[in-house]
Amino acid sequence: AQSVAQPEDQVNVAEGNPLTVKCTYSVSGNPYLFWYVQYPNRGLQFLLKYITGDNLVKGSYGFEAEFNKSQTSFHLKKPSALVSDSALYFCAVRDESSGNTGKLIFGQGTTLQVKP
Amino acid sequence: DGGITQSPKYLFRKEGQNVTLSCEQNLNHDAMYWYRQDPGQGLRLIYYSQIVNDFQKGDIAEGYSVSREKKESFPLTVTSAQKNPTAFYLCASSVYRGVSYEQYFGPGTRLTVT
Repeated sequence: AQSVAQPEDQVNVAEGNPLTVKCTYSVSGNPYLFWYVQYPNRGLQFLLKYITGDNLVKGSYGFEAEFNKSQTSFHLKKPSALVSDSALYFCAVRDESSGNTGKLIFGQGTTLQVKP
Repeated sequence: DGGITQSPKYLFRKEGQNVTLSCEQNLNHDAMYWYRQDPGQGLRLIYYSQIVNDFQKGDIAEGYSVSREKKESFPLTVTSAQKNPTAFYLCASSVYRGVSYEQYFGPGTRLTVT
């Protein structure tokens, strides 16, 4: 069965330090992977995606993600965290079982807390 | 939140009443989706629609209904049959971009039923 896992409910990091938000996936074919961010009482905003090509994907707001096929992971990273990065982050994978419907399977979300 | 609007932002209803949540998009996207978000449970798909006059149930469709009479609009009705309707509801739309669908989300509607 297809799935996405975000093993950490919350990640705490000091401002200026590098941050990593973890995501692992399970799909039978080639994964299409996405990261979204959600600020309180707002909708989700698209950050970046991996479809094919370079394993390091760069996205919005200085975020990047590294696709690792052998470890089935797609961790979100940023070299230097900002307090304003504090939010809820979701990893998602395309639902292959639904054909070409565009359905996504979302992880449970990880709260990132960046402290000054 | 792009070109997707959801109204109202906050909605209060008494138990036993049906309520309809609005979702409109001006992005010319073909597909639209409704999700429910509860604390600690991520996003769960309620219904989705790929074309006008067609829609499919998602993972938690019981107690909900939708319509897709126009490409731009995908309203969600929360019926009295939904046992625990209080939640944050998110609408999204997507377009086929290259080989992948990226979903764009509206700002959400927080429904409280008492």
